[in-house]
Amino acid sequence: DIQMTQSPSSLSASVGDRVTITCRASQSISSYLNWYQQKPGKAPKLLIYAASSLQSGVPSRFSGSGSGTDFTLTISSLQPEDFATYYCQQSYSTPGFTFGPGTKVDIK
Amino acid sequence: EVQLVESGGGLVQPGGSLRLSCAASGFTVSSNYMSWVRQAPGKGLEWVSVIYSGGSTYYADSVKGRFTISRDNSKNTLYLQMNSLRAEDTAVYYCARTTGGYSLGYYYYYMDVWGKGTTVTVSS
Repeated sequence: DIQMTQSPSSLSASVGDRVTITCRASQSISSYLNWYQQKPGKAPKLLIYAASSLQSGVPSRFSGSGSGTDFTLTISSLQPEDFATYYCQQSYSTPGFTFGPGTKVDIK
Repeated sequence: EVQLVESGGGLVQPGGSLRLSCAASGFTVSSNYMSWVRQAPGKGLEWVSVIYSGGSTYYADSVKGRFTISRDNSKNTLYLQMNSLRAEDTAVYYCARTTGGYSLGYYYYYMDVWGKGTTVTVSS
């Protein structure tokens, strides 16, 4: 089974900061990597699919990159509504759509 | 409007059963892959099960043999039958449309529509 890890597990940042979250797969997953945002008490929201494709309606300050085993989610200028937990998910080894453990972004 | 609404959660004793429902609107359940994802209190997301458009079903090892995913095409509704429930099954259960799209010539799957979730508590 493919295992997903994320770093850091949490971070504190200020509005306007550039934020980068890393996701690593235990084996190559090509570009089969999705990113989701989840706010407390809410369902996850798809941000990025195929490692770097922005889901419709998602602000362009979100971007994704990487392939193989190492991936990043970047928020170019953190906004107040971006404080949330972010999860990566592999869709290479389906049908098991494994999620990473999450990265919580909170206010510094 | 594309929407998913879960129901059926509640408090159940260990060893008991529960059936969750996920009613879809704005799209056809049977034309898509549909998944269940759960989140234990204070924990991350865990994929539970998926049903393909062709009807094939798959499960996480943690629920295999105890949970059954199904759909009713006439009601455009997804289900999760949960038997032999354990304390560790306590979670918010989300249903999600698992669709796909092309990027640079390859087809990728992702979960683009989610319900608000239904809470299952397994406790005596």
